[in-house]
Amino acid sequence: DAGITQSPRHKVTETGTPVTLRCHQTENHRYMYWYRQDPGHGLRLIHYSYGVKDTDKGEVSDGYSVSRSKTEDFLLTLESATSSQTSVYFCAISESVLGNTSGYTFGSGTRLTVV
Amino acid sequence: AQTVTQSQPEMSVQEAETVTLSCTYDTSESDYYLFWYKQPPSRQMILVIRQEAYKQQNATENRFSVNFQKAAKSFSLKISDSQLGDAAMYFCAYRSWQGGSEKLVFGKGTKLTVNP
Repeated sequence: DAGITQSPRHKVTETGTPVTLRCHQTENHRYMYWYRQDPGHGLRLIHYSYGVKDTDKGEVSDGYSVSRSKTEDFLLTLESATSSQTSVYFCAISESVLGNTSGYTFGSGTRLTVV
Repeated sequence: AQTVTQSQPEMSVQEAETVTLSCTYDTSESDYYLFWYKQPPSRQMILVIRQEAYKQQNATENRFSVNFQKAAKSFSLKISDSQLGDAAMYFCAYRSWQGGSEKLVFGKGTKLTVNP
């Protein structure tokens, strides 16, 4: 299985402050994703990346930005955190080769609380 | 856009019995992948089973099997001989592949309780 780590595991921050979550993979998978999980909503896609400096929006991208300057790192930034962004955030990578996939591997999640 | 619907927010089953979780999806694509993921209280996302749409044979992984009905766009998960460790949230997911870009879309999940 691909190695994927998220940091931090937990964070409490104040409304209006910037927050950056980090996702790191140990292999050279092309696709990386950021999801948020909220009760009753499942996992919803925030942003994804299909290569260095190549990113695109998901269904709930407002208030979030991402960057990918290296293959192994995918950063999610909340420019000015709001209470509605209190959630559990998951990073994922796709273990795809030429369109065929064996699945997706997820990080352990970051529980973010905005007070 | 693709959508995934899990119509059962909660299900329960007796230990050693069989339970089926429902999933339907909407797509115009002909080739795609479907997945079931398990999320125990530890919140780790664990792949349970994978199905390729062009394969008519239903996927099976030990006690877990699927009933894939492509025409009906249905992808249910059957858990046989349920165990206490099967208690978790289960998510159905659809992989979209369009223009060289792929995304994974999730249903809202089904919480499975296993009663001893």
